[in-house]
Amino acid sequence: QQPVQSPQAVILREGEDAVINCSSSKALYSVHWYRQKHGEAPVFLMILLKGGEQKGHEKISASFNEKKQQSSLYLTASQLSYSGTYFCGTELQGAQKLVFGQGTRLTINP
Amino acid sequence: GAGVSQSPRYKVTKRGQDVALRCDPISGHVSLYWYRQALGQGPEFLTYFNYEAQQDKSGLPNDRFSAERPEGSISTLTIQRTEQRDSAMYRCASSLGAGKGYEQYFGPGTRLTVT
Repeated sequence: QQPVQSPQAVILREGEDAVINCSSSKALYSVHWYRQKHGEAPVFLMILLKGGEQKGHEKISASFNEKKQQSSLYLTASQLSYSGTYFCGTELQGAQKLVFGQGTRLTINP
Repeated sequence: GAGVSQSPRYKVTKRGQDVALRCDPISGHVSLYWYRQALGQGPEFLTYFNYEAQQDKSGLPNDRFSAERPEGSISTLTIQRTEQRDSAMYRCASSLGAGKGYEQYFGPGTRLTVT
């Protein structure tokens, strides 16, 4: 039931782009994305809902493929502040709770 | 406004003792969630409440773990007869509603160490 994230880790130079993927074997109602910096709480980034609605930060973009039960988070022109571990949390239809993936560690170097 | 707060931030206890972890959600948030997070892993769902009603406790590892939210605001996660394997970061999160795409806001967590 736990969603699978890929890649597990990414190292970029400042200004480069990254894509983080999250896939589920179950039918999803929504996908939530969070970023967590070391020693801090996860911070909400974006929600993607079945049917196409999205809520979140203007500078973050993501997609949700309902047929494949996959979501992708797009980080463009990365900044040093983007470093951290990114988690997707998936909500199954009718479940009203999130199941989080194992995370993708993103490192941005100057 | 104030975010989610948790206390204590750190708790060291001896094996066999009971501990109570407190979560104070964002004012007006209906739903409150408890998670356990191992180092380098995603949050693991434990239980959640809508108002004072516990809706799902399927993630509680065993009957030593219990949670309550008697007045629909502050919640307490209690672990009885603690064991070393209970050592982890315990986080709570709150949201305006349950499911339906409401974002969750996480607290700073309580780091529990059982010696």
